[in-house]
Amino acid sequence: AQSVTQPDIHITVSEGASLELRCNYSYGATPYLFWYVQSPGQGLQLLLKYFSGDTLVQGIKGFEAEFKRSQSSFNLRKPSVHWSDAAEYFCAVGAYSGAGSYQLTFGKGTKLSVIP
Amino acid sequence: GAVVSQHPSRVICKSGTSVKIECRSLDFQATTMFWYRQFPKQSLMLMATSNEGSKATYEQGVEKDKFLINHASLTLSTLTVTSAHPEDSSFYICSARALGDGHEAFFGQGTRLTVV
Repeated sequence: AQSVTQPDIHITVSEGASLELRCNYSYGATPYLFWYVQSPGQGLQLLLKYFSGDTLVQGIKGFEAEFKRSQSSFNLRKPSVHWSDAAEYFCAVGAYSGAGSYQLTFGKGTKLSVIP
Repeated sequence: GAVVSQHPSRVICKSGTSVKIECRSLDFQATTMFWYRQFPKQSLMLMATSNEGSKATYEQGVEKDKFLINHASLTLSTLTVTSAHPEDSSFYICSARALGDGHEAFFGQGTRLTVV
């Protein structure tokens, strides 16, 4: 079964600073990788995804992520953080089970706080 | 992008009553819908996966008689929390996987259930 690890529970950055949120996964093949953002009391919004091809993917709101197979990582980055980026960020892995069913597995999330 | 509408966004009910939560895919057909539960400051825990026209598949530890899932059409799935108790209070989120799109899931806004 697949698993996702987000090592950082809470990160605080200053507005305008760069950001990197870490995500490591465990899966026997190349997984489908996602980053979602959740504002308090809201559902999840997809930031970006990786299925195949170019390992550097661009998403919405200026975010990008790089898939590194050798490190089993899919870290999320943004060059300059805005105060509105403060939220909870979830990395997720999509994979098919042996029975053929598809499932998304989420990391525990990283809360991002932004200092003005 | 694809839109998933979840209703209601908030509900307060008395202990012992039942509550129904609806999840609709507004502009696409969803062969599969997922129901998650999220505790405060925690990640999303998959409760069950429902496929249109068939019985839902529940994750281990989720009571199927308590959390009734119906996926009667390609655009609607419902979760009914039966005989609700205060410990069922939580944030419930649905997501839908589009017909023909194997890997990406779109999320509803979530429902905050409070049982008093």
